[in-house]
Amino acid sequence: GAVVSQHPSRVICKSGTSVKIECRSLDFQATTMFWYRQFPKKSLMLMATSNEGSKATYEQGVEKDKFLINHASLTLSTLTVTSAHPEDSSFYICSARDRLAGGLPYNEQFFGPGTRLTVL
Amino acid sequence: AQSVTQLGSHVSVSEGALVLLRCNYSSSVPPYLFWYVQYPNQGLQLLLKYTSAATLVKGINGFEAEFKKSETSFHLTKPSAHMSDAAEYFCAVSDHNQGGKLIFGQGTELSVKP
Repeated sequence: GAVVSQHPSRVICKSGTSVKIECRSLDFQATTMFWYRQFPKKSLMLMATSNEGSKATYEQGVEKDKFLINHASLTLSTLTVTSAHPEDSSFYICSARDRLAGGLPYNEQFFGPGTRLTVL
Repeated sequence: AQSVTQLGSHVSVSEGALVLLRCNYSSSVPPYLFWYVQYPNQGLQLLLKYTSAATLVKGINGFEAEFKKSETSFHLTKPSAHMSDAAEYFCAVSDHNQGGKLIFGQGTELSVKP
């Protein structure tokens, strides 16, 4: 149980185009999902917290107009990188917390397999 | 503010040797601590977590970690390394005041030599 999927697993796009990444909780409902960005040989940087039915909360320094997050259902959150540029190339990872476990801070986050974005 | 520091960006051990990955935390409240493993081009998998119950926490794949409040540490150990343990390991603390979002350490790459 507790599987999180991401689609696509990798995407290559031209500079200036927009790319949408999906994050799905397959066997549980998630009121909260998190989006991370990871540079090569680096740690995960939290970009935003996505709450079902409400606006995402972005971390300081993350452009909300560039990284659009939508959490329209209890099993799906999407991250859209708008007008992508080469510096947006990275590994994007989402995670989800089981709704039934509540919002307690010690409850596990389940991570997706990541999406490798390359902007040419 | 809460934070974690992982000492050593890269650790190399021989197969069968003890694995010790260090993590120190900073927190003004009792912390919730996690160790995750990441294999190349994959997401993160939880190894174990500390949630203020037993200070010695046993996880998957033979890993365990001990919470030491006096040392503000949560080091990860495994008695005997396997080749399959080669991966990136992240220590993380859950931020009580911000919905439990995870704050990650810098990561430690574990190499296992035959």
